[in-house]
Amino acid sequence: KAGVTQTPRYLIKTRGQQVTLSCSPISGHRSVSWYQQTPGQGLQFLFEYFSETQRNKGNFPGRFSGRQFSNSRSEMNVSTLELGDSALYLCASSLEGRATDTQYFGPGTRLTVL
Amino acid sequence: QKEVEQDPGPLSVPEGAIVSLNCTYSNSAFQYFMWYRQYSRKGPELLMYTYSSGNKEDGRFTAQVDKSSKYISLFIRDSQPSDSATYLCAMSLFSGGSNYKLTFGKGTLLTVNP
Repeated sequence: KAGVTQTPRYLIKTRGQQVTLSCSPISGHRSVSWYQQTPGQGLQFLFEYFSETQRNKGNFPGRFSGRQFSNSRSEMNVSTLELGDSALYLCASSLEGRATDTQYFGPGTRLTVL
Repeated sequence: QKEVEQDPGPLSVPEGAIVSLNCTYSNSAFQYFMWYRQYSRKGPELLMYTYSSGNKEDGRFTAQVDKSSKYISLFIRDSQPSDSATYLCAMSLFSGGSNYKLTFGKGTLLTVNP
């Protein structure tokens, strides 16, 4: 079974631009979560989608948004990029998003904001 | 005070050593405890998952949870160079059983020297 895939793997943007990241979950998984990983803050939860609905949200500004499609693929969008948005963005999929479901992570998208 | 505290290391040990990795947490509502391993340029992968206080063993790995002290540990016996990675503790709340988020420690960078 193929793992979680994320595209693109690397991205360089300038301040003020916007960016869209994509995540394809493991086949059959309906829950997709997004995390931001930085050396200073570690891994921080952004949001979780299940059946095309945002079900959980972390403490990030409204510039961070996402959506999920009917095939469970998910996209994350960051508008008006700031230097502090430079990070590794990870998505994780699980069967139903229950606390007892294992989350499987993708390799991440490395975003650099100049 | 951060919800989850983890010594970032780095930790360097000789091959064959016993490694002890630890996290403390402040939120007594955390009920699920996990250890993830993250290799360079990869996403985290689940190593161990525990629900209750006590020990859980899987091969060379032992996870220990002490809810009364709000302290979790991961022990690695007979450490190998292939164990060199960043180890992240993670915790989640039980919130209705159908949605949750993972709260991570910042990770400990481990190097096992041949």
